[in-house]
Amino acid sequence: DAEITQSPRHKITETGRQVTLACHQTWNHNNMFWYRQDLGHGLRLIHYSYGVHDTNKGEVSDGYSVSRSNTEDLPLTLESAASSQTSVYFCASSESRMTTGELFFGEGSRLTVL
Amino acid sequence: AQTVTQSQPEMSVQEAETVTLSCTYDTSESNYYLFWYKQPPSRQMILVIRQEAYKQQNATENRFSVNFQKAAKSFSLKISDSQLGDTAMYFCASRIGGSQGNLIFGKGTKLSVKP
Repeated sequence: DAEITQSPRHKITETGRQVTLACHQTWNHNNMFWYRQDLGHGLRLIHYSYGVHDTNKGEVSDGYSVSRSNTEDLPLTLESAASSQTSVYFCASSESRMTTGELFFGEGSRLTVL
Repeated sequence: AQTVTQSQPEMSVQEAETVTLSCTYDTSESNYYLFWYKQPPSRQMILVIRQEAYKQQNATENRFSVNFQKAAKSFSLKISDSQLGDTAMYFCASRIGGSQGNLIFGKGTKLSVKP
């Protein structure tokens, strides 16, 4: 079955370190998204991509970057981790040929920055 | 810009009873979709129900149904015969139509189903 997987599921890091969260989907979806989830804020969009070599900033993109070198993967990089980036991160994807709008989510990655 | 508002941070309901979660949204688009996602303690985001804005008929999925009031920009979720497994965070979300576009989420409602 097609799926979307995130790794690592849990990570603890120190302030100032570079961190990369991986996202891999086997749906062959063109659209991929990264959200962060914080109590009282719901899910907020960090970055998104509509295809290979396409990346766009979302609502809370400062301190994050993404790159899209193939259809399957959209890694999220925190260049210099800050305590404010402690959060749960969700990757999602959607089919571009269909217009039903449904996003398929990974299981989330909990990141703690000490 | 799209916005989604959930005004109930927490709700509780007795098992087997009915509960309604509220959601209002704002968009200038005429073609859009509305969603309710469920997030149980496992953290997995699960699509509960979807409504296309151009459809007047309210969507229904088993015990879950929506009351879509387009003019009022309201999209509430009704859960009938509540079960303990319905305990979760529920997020309302909107997305513009077309092949691209991301989901805009509300802040969520934490629902507790009590035995």
